Amino acid sequence: RKEVEQDPGPFNVPEGATVAFNCTYSNSASQSFFWYRQDCRKEPKLLMSVYSSGNEDGRFTAQLNRASQYISLLIRDSKLSDSATYLCVVNITTNAGKSTFGDGTTLTVKP
Amino acid sequence: GAGVSQSPSNKVTEKGKDVELRCDPISGHTALYWYRQSLGQGLEFLIYFQGNSAPDKSGLPSDRFSAERTGGSVSTLTIQRTQQEDSAVYLCASSLEGTGIAGELFFGEGSRLTVL
Repeated sequence: RKEVEQDPGPFNVPEGATVAFNCTYSNSASQSFFWYRQDCRKEPKLLMSVYSSGNEDGRFTAQLNRASQYISLLIRDSKLSDSATYLCVVNITTNAGKSTFGDGTTLTVKP
Repeated sequence: GAGVSQSPSNKVTEKGKDVELRCDPISGHTALYWYRQSLGQGLEFLIYFQGNSAPDKSGLPSDRFSAERTGGSVSTLTIQRTQQEDSAVYLCASSLEGTGIAGELFFGEGSRLTVL
């Protein structure tokens, strides 16, 4: 079983739709969580951190469920420019410096 | 430059040759990471540096892979006797922290390696 698992998709949604991605992690010692965005043939870039209380940044909402060991990303009012691969990232304090990436979920927003 | 710089951006080599990939992190970032991404796949962790030392080399696929970092800055990833399965994009990232709870990783644009 992979340490971090994501549904690869693809998710194909129309503009304006709401879409949600989940990511599960296997190590209960995981301490910090992030969502990164990677455009085609580009490097990953931080989208948002995920806090225990949940956090929102404009149309994006991230949630953490420690009991069930998953994090989620909700995108409201999807834009064409949201089309990308979304990577879930988990850090474990016992593995100093090692950020474990999920394989990503691909989103395509269509007109 | 303000970002992480990697070179070469593209490298085509013949099977059995050695290659060196270079990463110049953001100035002041103490932590440096190497990842590998094959086409259509996720990121595979290779090695992490805190300063010049590498506390975690667990991701290096074989003893043909080695990496060093000098002066707490530039890092070089060396692949000896390259094989076709080494073909991938090699991504370098740096961050301010590196003590276990990593902060934001800033990635370079990657070095695309093709082994013929």
